[in-house]
Amino acid sequence: ILNVEQSPQSLHVQEGDSTNFTCSFPSSNFYALHWYRWETAKSPEALFVMTLNGDEKKKGRISATLNTKEGYSYLYIKGSQPEDSATYLCASGDSNYQLIWGAGTKLIIKP
Amino acid sequence: ETGVTQTPRHLVMGMTNKKSLKCEQHLGHNAMYWYKQSAKKPLELMFVYNFKEQTENNSVPSRFSPECPNSSHLFLHLHTLQPEDSALYLCASSQGSSSGGTGETQYFGPGTRLLVL
Repeated sequence: ILNVEQSPQSLHVQEGDSTNFTCSFPSSNFYALHWYRWETAKSPEALFVMTLNGDEKKKGRISATLNTKEGYSYLYIKGSQPEDSATYLCASGDSNYQLIWGAGTKLIIKP
Repeated sequence: ETGVTQTPRHLVMGMTNKKSLKCEQHLGHNAMYWYKQSAKKPLELMFVYNFKEQTENNSVPSRFSPECPNSSHLFLHLHTLQPEDSALYLCASSQGSSSGGTGETQYFGPGTRLLVL
């Protein structure tokens, strides 16, 4: 049974500071790692899908890395802005349709 | 707007009621999903349909009954629910393929907030 862990559970960051958080997942039978952003009262929104060891993806001020051998991914946010406040979810899956989700990291940006 | 709509957005029902949740996607996708999200817990996959065929059923109690009449619509029929079934129910869709789908981006609806009294 896959188990996806995210840390920390929550994080308060000063506006303008950079931050990062972690997703760890079992490295056996790995196929894909997803990051989603979920703002309050909205739908989860896809950020990245990564499949290859060493993958790095970037979208504006947000980037992610993937290490499939040791089973972790980092999400980085550079120069945090108030609109970055959200819960960030990661999910890992094998080749079937079952993604296993972490409980999320809740990010709060303090102005 | 993600292209996935869900109705109703909020639902209160008694344990003896029967109700249905509806999901519709306008993205031309062929895979659709039901998830349950309870407070402070990860998303739990309930059901997956790929090209209208159910491919996953994660030991969900029979009081939850999915229906996928076509690739654009997904229903979750509810009957004799328990208070612990109160949660946010999210629908999602993805491209869908014959080779497996966890590499596909999922597009989520806004969810139905369900309260069972």
